Amino acid sequence: EAGVAQSPRYKIIEKRQSVAFWCNPISGHATLYWYQQILGQGPKLLIQFQNNGVVDDSQLPKDRFSAERLKGVDSTLKIQPAKLEDSAVYLCASSWDGGSTDTQYFGPGTRLTVL
Amino acid sequence: DQQVKQNSPSLSVQEGRISILNCDYTNSMFDYFLWYKKYPAEGPTFLISISSIKDKNEDGRFTVFLNKSAKHLSLHIVPSQPGDSAVYFCAASIRGTYKYIFGTGTRLKVLA
Repeated sequence: EAGVAQSPRYKIIEKRQSVAFWCNPISGHATLYWYQQILGQGPKLLIQFQNNGVVDDSQLPKDRFSAERLKGVDSTLKIQPAKLEDSAVYLCASSWDGGSTDTQYFGPGTRLTVL
Repeated sequence: DQQVKQNSPSLSVQEGRISILNCDYTNSMFDYFLWYKKYPAEGPTFLISISSIKDKNEDGRFTVFLNKSAKHLSLHIVPSQPGDSAVYFCAASIRGTYKYIFGTGTRLKVLA
């Protein structure tokens, strides 16, 4: 079974530029998560989708971050414009139905460097 | 407000010995706990979990212990192997929700 796919793996941009990340979850997983992991910290949830609907985006900086999952399968996360503090690894995860005991499976992440 | 804390950023253990990784939490509403392992340039991988109705869960070389009164959990790896060298994150959630709160991680190095 294929795991969670993410691209690109690495991205370097200058501040105020835009960037987009893509995630394809495990087949059949209804729930998709985007996390931000800043160096030396644990992953922090940015947004959760259940199929193509947003369940929680309370920690998403909506003035610059946006995410969509139009057909309930793959998803994109966009940052526009980027700031220096957005430098982090962006992790995508998926799970069957999003329950609290439902294991989340993570992709390899996209390492973003904002100069 | 760090609700899940891993106070040891790093730990070194000899191969064959026991590795003990610790995690403390502050929110008494947490009732499900997990450990993830992360290798460089890879995403976190689920390792083991425990519900608050238990105080111990074993899976092969890995055992997680939960002390609810102390709001403390620990991961024991016996025997430790060089391939166990990774960053270990504990995470907690509240039943009925979906959100995992992660600790800051402990880097384990198992010396051959």
